[in-house]
Amino acid sequence: GESVGLHLPTLSVQEGDNSIINCAYSNSASDYFIWYKQESGKGPQFIIDIRSNMDKRQGQRVTVLLNKTVKHLSLQIAATQPGDSAVYFCAENIGGAQKLVFGQGTRLTINP
Amino acid sequence: NAGVTQTPKFRVLKTGQSMTLLCAQDMNHEYMYWYRQDPGMGLRLIHYSVGEGTTAKGEVPDGYNVSRLKKQNFLLGLESAAPSQTSVYFCASSYSMGQFYEQYFGPGTRLTVT
Repeated sequence: GESVGLHLPTLSVQEGDNSIINCAYSNSASDYFIWYKQESGKGPQFIIDIRSNMDKRQGQRVTVLLNKTVKHLSLQIAATQPGDSAVYFCAENIGGAQKLVFGQGTRLTINP
Repeated sequence: NAGVTQTPKFRVLKTGQSMTLLCAQDMNHEYMYWYRQDPGMGLRLIHYSVGEGTTAKGEVPDGYNVSRLKKQNFLLGLESAAPSQTSVYFCASSYSMGQFYEQYFGPGTRLTVT
Protein backbone atom coordinates (compact mmCIF):
# COMPACT_ATOMS: atom_id res chain seq x y z
CA GLY A 1 0.00 0.00 0.00
CA GLU A 2 0.94 3.65 -0.26
CA SER A 3 3.06 5.08 2.48
CA VAL A 4 2.18 8.64 1.59
CA GLY A 5 -1.27 10.02 2.23
CA LEU A 6 -3.15 13.26 2.63
CA HIS A 7 -5.39 14.43 5.42
CA LEU A 8 -7.99 16.09 3.18
CA PRO A 9 -8.97 15.33 -0.39
CA THR A 10 -10.27 18.89 -1.06
CA LEU A 11 -9.45 22.34 0.22
CA SER A 12 -11.25 25.58 -0.55
CA VAL A 13 -9.71 28.96 0.27
CA GLN A 14 -10.49 32.59 -0.40
CA GLU A 15 -8.37 34.38 -2.95
CA GLY A 16 -5.58 36.18 -1.14
CA ASP A 17 -5.60 33.87 1.88
CA ASN A 18 -2.82 31.46 2.70
CA SER A 19 -3.30 27.77 1.88
CA ILE A 20 -1.90 24.86 3.84
CA ILE A 21 -1.93 21.40 2.34
CA ASN A 22 -0.93 18.50 4.55
CA CYS A 23 0.63 15.13 3.91
CA ALA A 24 1.41 12.20 6.19
CA TYR A 25 4.04 9.59 5.46
CA SER A 26 4.78 6.35 7.22
CA ASN A 27 8.30 5.38 6.15
CA SER A 28 10.85 6.85 8.54
CA ALA A 29 13.63 5.89 6.10
CA SER A 30 12.39 8.32 3.43
CA ASP A 31 15.13 10.84 2.70
CA TYR A 32 13.55 13.14 0.14
CA PHE A 33 10.12 14.70 -0.28
CA ILE A 34 8.62 16.70 -3.09
CA TRP A 35 5.44 18.59 -3.92
CA TYR A 36 3.88 18.67 -7.37
CA LYS A 37 1.02 20.69 -8.80
CA GLN A 38 -1.16 19.13 -11.47
CA GLU A 39 -3.61 21.15 -13.53
CA SER A 40 -6.39 19.46 -15.40
CA GLY A 41 -5.14 17.56 -18.44
CA LYS A 42 -1.48 18.27 -17.74
CA GLY A 43 1.48 16.49 -16.27
CA PRO A 44 2.69 17.17 -12.71
CA GLN A 45 4.69 20.35 -12.30
CA PHE A 46 7.42 20.69 -9.68
CA ILE A 47 6.74 23.12 -6.84
CA ILE A 48 9.32 22.53 -4.13
CA ASP A 49 11.31 19.75 -2.49
CA ILE A 50 13.09 19.06 0.77
CA ARG A 51 15.54 16.55 2.14
CA SER A 52 15.11 14.72 5.44
CA ASN A 53 17.98 16.66 7.05
CA MET A 54 15.98 19.88 6.72
CA ASP A 55 12.90 21.19 8.56
CA LYS A 56 11.89 23.96 6.21
CA ARG A 57 12.52 25.19 2.72
CA GLN A 58 11.14 28.26 1.03
CA GLY A 59 10.46 29.13 -2.56
CA GLN A 60 8.56 31.86 -4.26
CA ARG A 61 5.24 32.10 -2.34
CA VAL A 62 5.62 28.49 -1.19
CA THR A 63 7.11 26.91 1.91
CA VAL A 64 7.51 23.23 2.71
CA LEU A 65 7.72 22.11 6.32
CA LEU A 66 8.91 18.68 7.40
CA ASN A 67 8.21 17.26 10.85
CA LYS A 68 10.03 13.96 11.10
CA THR A 69 8.85 13.33 14.65
CA VAL A 70 5.26 12.88 13.52
CA LYS A 71 6.07 12.04 9.89
CA HIS A 72 4.23 15.05 8.53
CA LEU A 73 4.84 17.24 5.50
CA SER A 74 3.01 20.44 4.63
CA LEU A 75 2.91 22.87 1.74
CA GLN A 76 2.08 26.48 2.47
CA ILE A 77 1.05 28.78 -0.36
CA ALA A 78 1.02 32.48 0.46
CA ALA A 79 -1.57 34.87 -0.96
CA THR A 80 -3.38 32.20 -2.94
CA GLN A 81 -4.27 33.17 -6.49
CA PRO A 82 -6.80 31.73 -8.98
CA GLY A 83 -3.90 30.18 -10.88
CA ASP A 84 -3.12 28.06 -7.84
CA SER A 85 -6.25 25.98 -8.42
CA ALA A 86 -5.05 22.44 -9.08
CA VAL A 87 -4.45 19.07 -7.48
CA TYR A 88 -1.39 18.98 -5.26
CA PHE A 89 0.56 15.79 -4.68
CA CYS A 90 3.23 15.03 -2.17
CA ALA A 91 5.70 12.26 -2.88
CA GLU A 92 8.55 10.61 -1.03
CA ASN A 93 11.66 8.72 -2.02
CA ILE A 94 11.90 5.50 -0.05
CA GLY A 95 14.54 3.66 -1.99
CA GLY A 96 17.32 3.91 -4.52
CA ALA A 97 17.13 5.20 -8.08
CA GLN A 98 15.13 8.18 -6.83
CA LYS A 99 11.85 6.27 -7.02
CA LEU A 100 8.94 8.34 -5.79
CA VAL A 101 5.79 7.15 -4.05
CA PHE A 102 2.91 9.56 -4.54
CA GLY A 103 -0.02 10.39 -2.30
CA GLN A 104 -3.56 10.59 -3.66
CA GLY A 105 -3.60 14.36 -3.95
CA THR A 106 -5.53 17.33 -2.57
CA ARG A 107 -7.70 19.45 -4.84
CA LEU A 108 -7.28 23.14 -4.07
CA THR A 109 -10.07 25.46 -5.19
CA ILE A 110 -9.96 29.24 -4.90
CA ASN A 111 -13.06 31.23 -4.05
CA PRO A 112 -13.18 34.78 -5.44
CA ASN B 1 14.55 22.72 -24.78
CA ALA B 2 11.40 20.72 -25.32
CA GLY B 3 11.84 18.95 -21.97
CA VAL B 4 9.95 15.66 -21.81
CA THR B 5 7.69 14.81 -24.73
CA GLN B 6 5.31 11.88 -25.16
CA THR B 7 3.65 10.36 -28.20
CA PRO B 8 0.86 9.76 -28.85
CA LYS B 9 -1.31 12.09 -26.75
CA PHE B 10 -4.42 9.91 -27.06
CA ARG B 11 -5.08 6.36 -28.12
CA VAL B 12 -7.98 3.93 -28.12
CA LEU B 13 -7.20 0.21 -28.25
CA LYS B 14 -9.30 -2.90 -28.37
CA THR B 15 -8.67 -5.66 -25.88
CA GLY B 16 -5.76 -7.78 -27.02
CA GLN B 17 -4.16 -5.16 -29.26
CA SER B 18 -0.61 -3.99 -28.69
CA MET B 19 1.01 -0.58 -28.75
CA THR B 20 4.14 1.33 -27.79
CA LEU B 21 4.28 4.68 -26.03
CA LEU B 22 7.32 6.80 -26.73
CA CYS B 23 8.98 9.15 -24.27
CA ALA B 24 11.82 11.47 -25.24
CA GLN B 25 13.84 13.93 -23.17
CA ASP B 26 16.45 16.44 -24.28
CA MET B 27 17.92 17.28 -20.86
CA ASN B 28 20.59 14.55 -20.88
CA HIS B 29 18.99 12.91 -17.83
CA GLU B 30 20.23 9.52 -16.73
CA TYR B 31 17.03 8.36 -15.04
CA MET B 32 13.68 7.87 -16.72
CA TYR B 33 10.34 6.62 -15.41
CA TRP B 34 6.92 5.48 -16.55
CA TYR B 35 3.88 6.08 -14.32
CA ARG B 36 0.18 5.49 -14.65
CA GLN B 37 -2.50 7.67 -13.11
CA ASP B 38 -6.01 6.40 -12.58
CA PRO B 39 -8.96 8.79 -11.89
CA GLY B 40 -8.73 10.54 -8.54
CA MET B 41 -5.45 8.90 -7.64
CA GLY B 42 -1.79 9.64 -7.47
CA LEU B 43 0.82 8.31 -9.84
CA ARG B 44 2.09 4.75 -9.59
CA LEU B 45 5.45 3.68 -10.93
CA ILE B 46 5.36 1.04 -13.68
CA HIS B 47 9.01 0.70 -14.74
CA TYR B 48 12.09 2.85 -14.57
CA SER B 49 15.59 3.07 -15.99
CA VAL B 50 18.81 4.30 -14.42
CA GLY B 51 20.69 4.46 -17.69
CA GLU B 52 20.88 3.44 -21.31
CA GLY B 53 20.36 -0.28 -21.70
CA THR B 54 18.99 -0.80 -18.17
CA THR B 55 15.41 -1.18 -16.93
CA ALA B 56 13.78 -2.23 -13.67
CA LYS B 57 10.30 -2.96 -12.32
CA GLY B 58 8.33 -0.47 -10.31
CA GLU B 59 5.19 -0.87 -8.23
CA VAL B 60 2.80 -2.04 -10.99
CA PRO B 61 4.86 -3.66 -13.80
CA ASP B 62 2.54 -6.51 -14.84
CA GLY B 63 1.30 -6.30 -18.43
CA TYR B 64 3.97 -3.79 -19.49
CA ASN B 65 7.45 -3.97 -20.97
CA VAL B 66 10.01 -1.23 -21.47
CA SER B 67 13.19 -0.55 -23.37
CA ARG B 68 15.89 2.10 -23.14
CA LEU B 69 18.06 1.65 -26.23
CA LYS B 70 19.04 5.32 -26.34
CA LYS B 71 19.65 7.60 -23.38
CA GLN B 72 17.07 10.12 -24.53
CA ASN B 73 14.25 7.64 -25.21
CA PHE B 74 12.22 5.35 -22.98
CA LEU B 75 9.56 3.13 -24.56
CA LEU B 76 6.60 1.55 -22.81
CA GLY B 77 4.94 -1.42 -24.49
CA LEU B 78 1.63 -3.12 -23.97
CA GLU B 79 1.71 -6.54 -25.63
CA SER B 80 -1.95 -7.46 -25.10
CA ALA B 81 -4.01 -4.55 -23.84
CA ALA B 82 -6.68 -5.08 -21.18
CA PRO B 83 -9.45 -2.72 -20.00
CA SER B 84 -7.66 -2.47 -16.64
CA GLN B 85 -4.87 -0.65 -18.47
CA THR B 86 -7.15 2.26 -19.30
CA SER B 87 -5.32 5.14 -17.68
CA VAL B 88 -3.24 8.24 -18.24
CA TYR B 89 0.44 7.41 -18.66
CA PHE B 90 3.16 9.85 -17.68
CA CYS B 91 6.83 9.69 -18.43
CA ALA B 92 9.40 11.50 -16.30
CA SER B 93 13.15 11.98 -16.18
CA SER B 94 15.67 13.23 -13.65
CA TYR B 95 19.35 13.79 -13.01
CA SER B 96 21.22 11.05 -11.19
CA MET B 97 23.41 13.32 -9.10
CA GLY B 98 22.84 15.98 -6.46
CA GLN B 99 20.86 16.33 -3.27
CA PHE B 100 17.64 17.41 -4.94
CA TYR B 101 16.40 15.31 -7.78
CA GLU B 102 13.23 16.70 -9.18
CA GLN B 103 11.52 14.53 -11.76
CA TYR B 104 10.40 16.37 -14.89
CA PHE B 105 7.13 15.09 -16.32
CA GLY B 106 5.76 14.90 -19.83
CA PRO B 107 2.19 15.94 -20.76
CA GLY B 108 0.79 12.42 -20.61
CA THR B 109 -0.84 9.87 -22.92
CA ARG B 110 -4.51 9.10 -22.36
CA LEU B 111 -5.15 5.44 -23.22
CA THR B 112 -8.56 3.81 -23.39
CA VAL B 113 -8.88 0.05 -23.82
CA THR B 114 -12.34 -1.17 -24.87
